[in-house]
Amino acid sequence: SAVISQKPSRDICQRGTSLTIQCQVDSQVTMMFWYRQQPGQSLTLIATANQGSEATYESGFVIDKFPISRPNLTFSTLTVSNMSPEDSSIYLCSAGLAGEGEQFFGPGTRLTVL
Amino acid sequence: RKEVEQDPGPFNVPEGATVAFNCTYSNSASQSFFWYRQDCRKEPKLLMSVYSSGNEDGRFTAQLNRASQYISLLIRDSKLSDSATYLCAVNIWRRGYSTLTFGKGTMLLVSP
Repeated sequence: SAVISQKPSRDICQRGTSLTIQCQVDSQVTMMFWYRQQPGQSLTLIATANQGSEATYESGFVIDKFPISRPNLTFSTLTVSNMSPEDSSIYLCSAGLAGEGEQFFGPGTRLTVL
Repeated sequence: RKEVEQDPGPFNVPEGATVAFNCTYSNSASQSFFWYRQDCRKEPKLLMSVYSSGNEDGRFTAQLNRASQYISLLIRDSKLSDSATYLCAVNIWRRGYSTLTFGKGTMLLVSP
């Protein structure tokens, strides 16, 4: 399994600002993903972070709102842009090896937008 | 039909009880299946993978029924520490790569 860290662990932000969340994996992994989990709900995949190329976004999520970087095999960032209260959620990154299916999660970033 | 559906909860059981969770999936091309455990305000943690032949890990048994497209998780001799939300996850191939789709989760409350 991989050990994954995220920062910040939580933040309270003002409407209209942006927040960048960092995700660091302790080993080289093929796949990294970003999810959102709203209170009482399951995980919704935002995008797959691809090393050296643009992320692959799921339906309902766009690059302008959630730009993602992945400069190497162990690090990725997710930016939540021009935030509104509806963006208040927990954002989780995960990592795994291609072909194995299973993913391991970071501790999450709890975001509150006022 | 949702891609992954789980029993609605919560399940309230006494210590020592046996409890079973079911999960159905809609994509017959799915190849990998998992159960995750999520404690309150924590990230999901992989509990076990589900193999075609079924697999057991201590008090936990996972089964896969490909024909009916469902997986199950059985917990025997429930402990207070088993109280958590259990998420079913199914891999789906999209645009040449594999992603996981999660169910909404079933909450388990084990009481003394």
